[in-house]
Amino acid sequence: DAMVIQNPRYQVTQFGKPVTLSCSQTLNHNVMYWYQQKSSQAPKLLFHYYDKDFNNEADTPDNFQSRRPNTSFCFLDIRSPGLGDAAMYLCATSRLAGGTYEQYFGPGTRLTVT
Amino acid sequence: DAKTTQPTSMDCAEGRAANLPCNHSTISGNEYVYWYRQIHSQGPQYIIHGLKNNETNEMASLIITEDRKSSTLILPHATLRDTAVYYCIVTDGGSQGNLIFGKGTKLSVKP
Repeated sequence: DAMVIQNPRYQVTQFGKPVTLSCSQTLNHNVMYWYQQKSSQAPKLLFHYYDKDFNNEADTPDNFQSRRPNTSFCFLDIRSPGLGDAAMYLCATSRLAGGTYEQYFGPGTRLTVT
Repeated sequence: DAKTTQPTSMDCAEGRAANLPCNHSTISGNEYVYWYRQIHSQGPQYIIHGLKNNETNEMASLIITEDRKSSTLILPHATLRDTAVYYCIVTDGGSQGNLIFGKGTKLSVKP
């Protein structure tokens, strides 16, 4: 089945130690998104790629970076994780169809910062 | 900020219809209403979307008022597996599908 895959599902990192989260998709969608979801809160969009064009949300901290080497893969890099960055990180994909976008989400990576 | 208002929580008996309301009084003409749900510890799942007309698919029905200021998501025969947080989101195609999630409605389906 076509899907959005996130690895690892659980990630533990130390305070200040860089960490990379991975997302891949078999849907061949041209748009990929990263969301952050803290405990008991709604998902919050960090940034998205439209093809190779990177679009950062205005309030996304500089500590968060992203790479998209090809259509299938997208990475979230946290340069110096703080305790406040502990959260579920969700990757999603979509494409324009019928004038709208329907997003497909991965299962998420739960990040713990010690 | 989210452009929608939803009740914080709702209960529904198993097998009955679940009707989840959403207010979006500032919606503009080119904005769609989307519904997603998030079952505990999973990623959100697309349910349905609409512009003006009522829509139905295998999961749910979406009823949009004529003035488009509110809508209702209907799960016709709720099951225990429908227990989730349901998000009503308003967005336009020009933002490349970016979703601004509000707080959503926690639907609890009870036996």
